[in-house]
Amino acid sequence: AQSVTQPDIHITVSEGASLELRCNYSYGATPYLFWYVQSPGQGLQLLLKYFSGDTLVQGIKGFEAEFKRSQSSFNLRKPSVHWSDAAEYFCAVAAGSNDYKLSFGAGTTVTVRA
Amino acid sequence: DAGITQSPRYKITETGRQVTLMCHQTWSHSYMFWYRQDLGHGLRLIYYSAAADITDKGEVPDGYVVSRSKTENFPLTLESATRSQTSVYFCASRGSSLNTEAFFGQGTRLTVV
Repeated sequence: AQSVTQPDIHITVSEGASLELRCNYSYGATPYLFWYVQSPGQGLQLLLKYFSGDTLVQGIKGFEAEFKRSQSSFNLRKPSVHWSDAAEYFCAVAAGSNDYKLSFGAGTTVTVRA
Repeated sequence: DAGITQSPRYKITETGRQVTLMCHQTWSHSYMFWYRQDLGHGLRLIYYSAAADITDKGEVPDGYVVSRSKTENFPLTLESATRSQTSVYFCASRGSSLNTEAFFGQGTRLTVV
């Protein structure tokens, strides 16, 4: 069964600084990968997704993620964070084939300081 | 309105009571999911469904029951609520292609006292 690991529970970053959130997955084949963001008290919103092709994917709000098969990783990045980026971020994986469920990591909470 | 809606948004219930959380989507998505969100655990899958009358257990199904008599509805029932089921519950749906994203409801905050 697929699994997702987000090693960082909490990250604090200064406004204007760069941000990188780590995500590692465990699955034999290439899975379908997603990053979602959850603002306080809200549901989840899709930031970006990867299925195939170019391993660097662009998303909304200036986020990008890079798929690295050799490292089983799908890290999320933003060059310059804004105070509004303070939220919880979830990496998710769908294994494909006959397994259609979507599994999530434990999440990384991002705090942005002025 | 198009989308996925959950009701109620907030619920307080007593230990031992049965409670049902509702989920309705207007896209005719094949797949629907129920997750619970707890601090430190992220989102854990409770049950999921591929179509009407087809449901499967997720990671944490104990104490929950689901049904899916219609494609658009996927209610989650806590048969006898326990304090450990205090959580925020999210319903989600996605289309039949595996490369499609899941759309989430706004969540139901359930407190069992």
